[in-house]
Amino acid sequence: DQQVKQNSPSLSVQEGRISILNCDYTNSMFDYFLWYKKYPAEGPTFLISISSIKDKNEDGRFTVFLNKSAKHLSLHIVPSQPGDSAVYFCAAIPTDSWGKFQFGAGTQVVVTP
Amino acid sequence: KAGVTQTPRYLIKTRGQQVTLSCSPISGHRSVSWYQQTPGQGLQFLFEYFSETQRNKGNFPGRFSGRQFSNSRSEMNVSTLELGDSALYLCASSLSGRATDTQYFGPGTRLTVL
Repeated sequence: DQQVKQNSPSLSVQEGRISILNCDYTNSMFDYFLWYKKYPAEGPTFLISISSIKDKNEDGRFTVFLNKSAKHLSLHIVPSQPGDSAVYFCAAIPTDSWGKFQFGAGTQVVVTP
Repeated sequence: KAGVTQTPRYLIKTRGQQVTLSCSPISGHRSVSWYQQTPGQGLQFLFEYFSETQRNKGNFPGRFSGRQFSNSRSEMNVSTLELGDSALYLCASSLSGRATDTQYFGPGTRLTVL
């Protein structure tokens, strides 16, 4: 039962443009959300997170938006750079849960020159 | 500081065998989680350990087991391997396993079952 879904397996974007990655979840108990980036042959690395008490969180070029009523979050990368080419995973967890993060299937982002 | 290390990095086994994977967390981290990554499925949570106790478990059969030692190092074991167990196994460590603690992942162990 996939409780976190990333429906776009891939995304191609031009360098300098905006990348928008989407994620949907079904479990209303989730109240903390994260995005990870993964390069080949490496483990995922934490990118940005958001608590359900907020609807937006920014960190440099990365902004995460949360729409609780729609159970939807998105990651915006502006501007996109070649080094952003990677697989991006969204993850969710109830804040009172220990370590049991639920991940989406990932979106492969390719940034072209 | 040193990151999360996993050994071995690659492993080839045959059906019916068993395998043990090892994970050394970042120094000072007491929570270790294990995930299975397969194409199209993302990361599937296996279990989480804190202070040698399993606190959470995912929906995997009993063939998948783990443990954590007093130095926070963790091992996971898969018995009676099946072809479908071929995957990248990732471990992650954090200070306490709280949702707001940053998880740091190791590079993973690539298991191939023939």
